[in-house]
Amino acid sequence: AQSVAQPEDQVNVAEGNPLTVKCTYSVSGNPYLFWYVQYPNRGLQFLLKYITGDNLVKGSYGFEAEFNKSQTSFHLKKPSALVSDSALYFCAVRAHSGGGADGLTFGKGTHLIIQP
Amino acid sequence: GAGVSQSPSNKVTEKGKDVELRCDPISGHTALYWYRQRLGQGLEFLIYFQGNSAPDKSGLPSDRFSAERTGESVSTLTIQRTQQEDSAVYLCASSFLTRSETQYFGPGTRLLVL
Repeated sequence: AQSVAQPEDQVNVAEGNPLTVKCTYSVSGNPYLFWYVQYPNRGLQFLLKYITGDNLVKGSYGFEAEFNKSQTSFHLKKPSALVSDSALYFCAVRAHSGGGADGLTFGKGTHLIIQP
Repeated sequence: GAGVSQSPSNKVTEKGKDVELRCDPISGHTALYWYRQRLGQGLEFLIYFQGNSAPDKSGLPSDRFSAERTGESVSTLTIQRTQQEDSAVYLCASSFLTRSETQYFGPGTRLLVL
């Protein structure tokens, strides 16, 4: 079975500082990895994904994530946080093939709070 | 173009009643997914449609839950004899067919069972 762990329920960062939201995964075979953001009373918005190739993926709103196969991690990063980045962030995984679930498997989410 | 739409946005029902939730995917997206998000939880996969067929129903929590899709377009998720534990936000997503494709989510239907 595949799974995603987001070890921090909440991350607090001062505006202008770099931020990291952690994600580790477990999947049979190679993964497709995704980050989504959810603002209050809104649906999920896609930020970025890793399919193959370059381990550093750049996405929307200045976010990036680094795929680390040996550590089975896909941490979300941004060099300089904005107050408007405050939201709930979800990491998700899907196996390339081989009988993995057809849906995405999500972590429980991390609340990111950017303090002015 | 338009994104994924869902209706109703909110639904309050009494325990034991049936409810139908609707999803309109992005035009041209062959794949459609239903997820459930309970308060304070991540998303839980319910069912996947490839065109009109549902090869993966493994996530449906009980036989009270069913879903259908017609014309590779609209999908409905039906919950029969609702229970209080069914209270959640039900999210629909759509994508092109290959497994690496991004799933785009609708705003969700917030279901409250009294």
